[in-house]
Amino acid sequence: AQKVTQAQTEISVVEKEDVTLDCVYETRDTTYYLFWYKQPPSGELVFLIRRNSFDEQNEISGRYSWNFQKSTSSFNFTITASQVVDSAVYFCALRQTGANNLFFGTGTRLTVIP
Amino acid sequence: GAGVSQSPSNKVTEKGKDVELRCDPISGHTALYWYRQSLGQGLEFLIYFQGNSAPDKSGLPSDRFSAERTGGSVSTLTIQRTQQEDSAVYLCASSFNGHGTGNTIYFGEGSWLTVV
Repeated sequence: AQKVTQAQTEISVVEKEDVTLDCVYETRDTTYYLFWYKQPPSGELVFLIRRNSFDEQNEISGRYSWNFQKSTSSFNFTITASQVVDSAVYFCALRQTGANNLFFGTGTRLTVIP
Repeated sequence: GAGVSQSPSNKVTEKGKDVELRCDPISGHTALYWYRQSLGQGLEFLIYFQGNSAPDKSGLPSDRFSAERTGGSVSTLTIQRTQQEDSAVYLCASSFNGHGTGNTIYFGEGSWLTVV
């Protein structure tokens, strides 16, 4: 069985604040892949990052950073110095080895207030 | 093409009519996926194609839903006798390869379907 939990349904922050979006997953596989996608108001899902289960190195890309911890089955996403353009729904997703598709969490709606 | 292309962007249809939604995946991508996102809901997997074959149709909600893919490229999702609960955004996605891989799946902008 697989499950992705994004407990935060909605978050509001003031511009320039840092914000962390939580993602907790469940899987019985030892090999799997984790993803984050951004869905702005236009509706398109924009790929942000892919991480495989063997690579626990944290990653930073500009104002974005990801913290992958297998011990707690978490793959959290932090936006530093948030901007209004960061306002969107963010989805965490899991793909098990041999699975044909991504299994998504329910998403976190982030609103950045100017 | 540069990205996954879907048409129409928006479709309003009367209950009971059939609709066709089209997806043109990224060039060279052999795997194609359809997802559905209902208002306030998460993303629901519908069907997966590898080439022209659909080895996984497990997500199709009823026999009113069908999909095909031709030439290993364009796919059409057909909904027959539409119902109001079919109103949703239908997202198409593609990846370089499919089954058993961690290849990144890239999404289109979706087709917004409203059944009135």
